[in-house]
Amino acid sequence: EPEVTQTPSHQVTQMGQEVILRCVPISNHLYFYWYRQILGQKVEFLVSFYNNEISEKSEIFDDQFSVERPDGSNFTLKIRSTKLEDSAMYFCASHRDPKETQYFGPGTRLLVL
Amino acid sequence: GQQLNQSPQSMFIQEGEDVSMNCTSSSIFNTWLWYKQDPGEGPVLLIALYKAGELTSNGRLTAQFGITRKDSFLNISASIPSDVGIYFCAGHPDFGNEKLTFGTGTRLTIIP
Repeated sequence: EPEVTQTPSHQVTQMGQEVILRCVPISNHLYFYWYRQILGQKVEFLVSFYNNEISEKSEIFDDQFSVERPDGSNFTLKIRSTKLEDSAMYFCASHRDPKETQYFGPGTRLLVL
Repeated sequence: GQQLNQSPQSMFIQEGEDVSMNCTSSSIFNTWLWYKQDPGEGPVLLIALYKAGELTSNGRLTAQFGITRKDSFLNISASIPSDVGIYFCAGHPDFGNEKLTFGTGTRLTIIP
């Protein structure tokens, strides 16, 4: 069964460094999302992406964040200058149609020191 | 923004017991979804509900979309050890708005 994959599974970085989190959505999906989950808290929406542009973004998704679909398969989330409070699990999700459910990847655990 | 409140926050039950948890919102949701999250993993969809009043089962799981569109419940019958995890409700508040709003989660622990 096709699945969303994410790399790396874990990333440790120093405050102020740039990180890029990678996702490979399911191949025929068209709508892509990033969510994050701070330890012990609920999953929060960051950004949605369709037709090579951002559809919607949350207040969390400030100028330090960007997303890109550099080729036909990858979907990336870049944090330009990480802060301690960016430490969280980051989940990528995708679906083919807004009426369908979203499929989540296993997540990248980001730790900012 | 819309918020989904889940109760209880945590549950400790014996294997074989039935479980009931619910999710409420102050505003209308047009879709209700129930996900399970195991430690270190992403959320996995259990049940999706699309119509007010809808009652749907998936094996030992049953969920209902409240008639007011402001609540949903999830029941698990005859719990087993692999039911351990965090259960999240989620929903789409608006038609055409694809983002998911997640609830606060219910942590289920099963005592042997």
